[in-house]
Amino acid sequence: DQQVKQNSPSLSVQEGRISILNCDYTNSMFDYFLWYKKYPAEGPTFLISISSIKDKNEDGRFTVFLNKSAKHLSLHIVPSQPGDSAVYFCAARGGSNYKLTFGKGTLLTVNP
Amino acid sequence: EPEVTQTPSHQVTQMGQEVILRCVPISNHLYFYWYRQILGQKVEFLVSFYNNEISEKSEIFDDQFSVERPDGSNFTLKIRSTKLEDSAMYFCASSEGPPVEFFGPGTRLTVL
Repeated sequence: DQQVKQNSPSLSVQEGRISILNCDYTNSMFDYFLWYKKYPAEGPTFLISISSIKDKNEDGRFTVFLNKSAKHLSLHIVPSQPGDSAVYFCAARGGSNYKLTFGKGTLLTVNP
Repeated sequence: EPEVTQTPSHQVTQMGQEVILRCVPISNHLYFYWYRQILGQKVEFLVSFYNNEISEKSEIFDDQFSVERPDGSNFTLKIRSTKLEDSAMYFCASSEGPPVEFFGPGTRLTVL
């Protein structure tokens, strides 16, 4: 069951540059998408979300873009900071379902 | 800032034993969830709970699992007879309403 896919297991960027994390989904019933950040030995921390009626949502350094026709979303972090180094999970929710469906995550490393 | 708490942080048990994982959701939240993450795999939905009853459950959540909200603050997950494959991180989450869920730090369950 790979309804939410994060095809890059890891990403490394330099401090100050842009980090772009990608996510693809297959279920057209998904209507809300979320990004979570996870440090080791901690639970996922909510970062930013986007409804399927929008194509962009911005919160400080974080912007999420949604391309419904391509069933693709991305998280942009600008500028990247060493403290952003963590695993980033894309998650989606559909219709009347309460549950979140997660991708496998992408490990982001921001090098000083 | 209010947060979801979970106890214990690590539980070691023998196969066949019962375990109870405990969670204190954020106080004004109405929706409660359990997820798990087996090492190296994605975060998987187990169950959601609203208005004192299960609102949705996954195929993983079989008769060995149960949830309870025994008082106004705790939310528990019971595994009746643990198996080796139940070893995982178990995350509790809560929300005021879908879709944004706030996660606890997790309980690492090790079944020997």
